[in-house]
Amino acid sequence: AQSVTQLDSQVPVFEEAPVELRCNYSSSVSVYLFWYVQYPNQGLQLLLKYLSGSTLVKGINGFEAEFNKSQTSFHLRKPSVHISDTAEYFCAVSAPQGAQKLVFGQGTRLTINP
Amino acid sequence: EAGVAQSPRYKIIEKRQSVAFWCNPISGHATLYWYQQILGQGPKLLIQFQNNGVVDDSQLPKDRFSAERLKGVDSTLKIQPAKLEDSAVYLCASSFDSFTGELFFGEGSRLTVL
Repeated sequence: AQSVTQLDSQVPVFEEAPVELRCNYSSSVSVYLFWYVQYPNQGLQLLLKYLSGSTLVKGINGFEAEFNKSQTSFHLRKPSVHISDTAEYFCAVSAPQGAQKLVFGQGTRLTINP
Repeated sequence: EAGVAQSPRYKIIEKRQSVAFWCNPISGHATLYWYQQILGQGPKLLIQFQNNGVVDDSQLPKDRFSAERLKGVDSTLKIQPAKLEDSAVYLCASSFDSFTGELFFGEGSRLTVL
């Protein structure tokens, strides 16, 4: 079975500052990894995903994440955040084999201060 | 392209009453999911359908929760009788297939049990 730990429940940053949201996973098999974003009063939407290949993946809105197999991590980064990035961010994992079950972390609330 | 539709958006009931949530997935999406998101937690998978067959319902409290997907399209999630701990947002999601992890979420149905 897979599990995900998001190390920070809340991350406050100033506008135009860089940000990193941390995610660690646990799995006995290879995994697919995802970051989803949930803006206030909206459903979740896919930010980016790692299925295979390059360990650095780029997503929407200037976000990127790096898959680190040795550290079992998939941290999300953005070099300069905007007020509009204020949202809840969820890391998720699934196993490639068979019908997938997406397991989510607890979420990190990103708050951007002007 | 129309997104995942859910109704009602909000529902308040007394404990021991029943409630039903409806979901209409994106046209052509074979896989449909119901997630439960309790405040401060990540979404937890309740049930996954592939067309109109159940793929995974291991975390569905079957003594009170039931779900069906008629004709492989719309789905209904029912809770009867509701408990206080069922207060949560119920998210419906769909995907074209179950292998790439790209789920499209509805805005959710927020349930408050008093």
